[in-house]
Amino acid sequence: QQPVQSPQAVILREGEDAVINCSSSKALYSVHWYRQKHGEAPVFLMILLKGGEQKGHEKISASFNEKKQQSSLYLTASQLSYSGTYFCGTEIGLNSGYALNFGKGTSLLVTP
Amino acid sequence: DTGVSQDPRHKITKRGQNVTFRCDPISEHNRLYWYRQTLGQGPEFLTYFQNEAQLEKSRLLSDRFSAERPKGSFSTLEIQRTEQGDSAMYLCASSSRGGAGDDTEAFFGQGTRLTVV
Repeated sequence: QQPVQSPQAVILREGEDAVINCSSSKALYSVHWYRQKHGEAPVFLMILLKGGEQKGHEKISASFNEKKQQSSLYLTASQLSYSGTYFCGTEIGLNSGYALNFGKGTSLLVTP
Repeated sequence: DTGVSQDPRHKITKRGQNVTFRCDPISEHNRLYWYRQTLGQGPEFLTYFQNEAQLEKSRLLSDRFSAERPKGSFSTLEIQRTEQGDSAMYLCASSSRGGAGDDTEAFFGQGTRLTVV
């Protein structure tokens, strides 16, 4: 089942903070976060693994609550370049691998 | 290596025609994925290759869709008898195989935007 993201859209002034949430009805092993700018490829930001390990971005942090089946992405002191659509992805177990089940996205606009 | 590349970037076709897209993954990546993305939605998984073997196909992938990855390098996605509902962005992604429990990030190409008229 598709993870649910909130909010759907956020408008910030440069320097402000934002939190984007992702929740799932299924138990999670990991959560993947991507950012996509209009007309461009989704770009990897972060993986959060069960057990607390994180891999990813230096300036963006995230949390992963396994019990609540939720993850949150924290964007602090936002920059204009943070604008885009943020997607969380949860794993679809495959034969010898996995793919991602993405949410509908959160559109973030950072204004000067 | 410049990343995952896809060709063409845009394709307009008449309903009923066949189309083929190509994806060149990052050279050392053995895993390759196709996703479809429509406006306002996240990417939806279509199919997965490990090396040349197609290991998984989503229920979204009708019989009109076929994908190949000969020799475990580039991949092609063909849609036969296109329908207007096939209009979407088709994204390819690749990743390397991690060890047990080692999730590795997927790198996406810029996609092929298909418009069926």
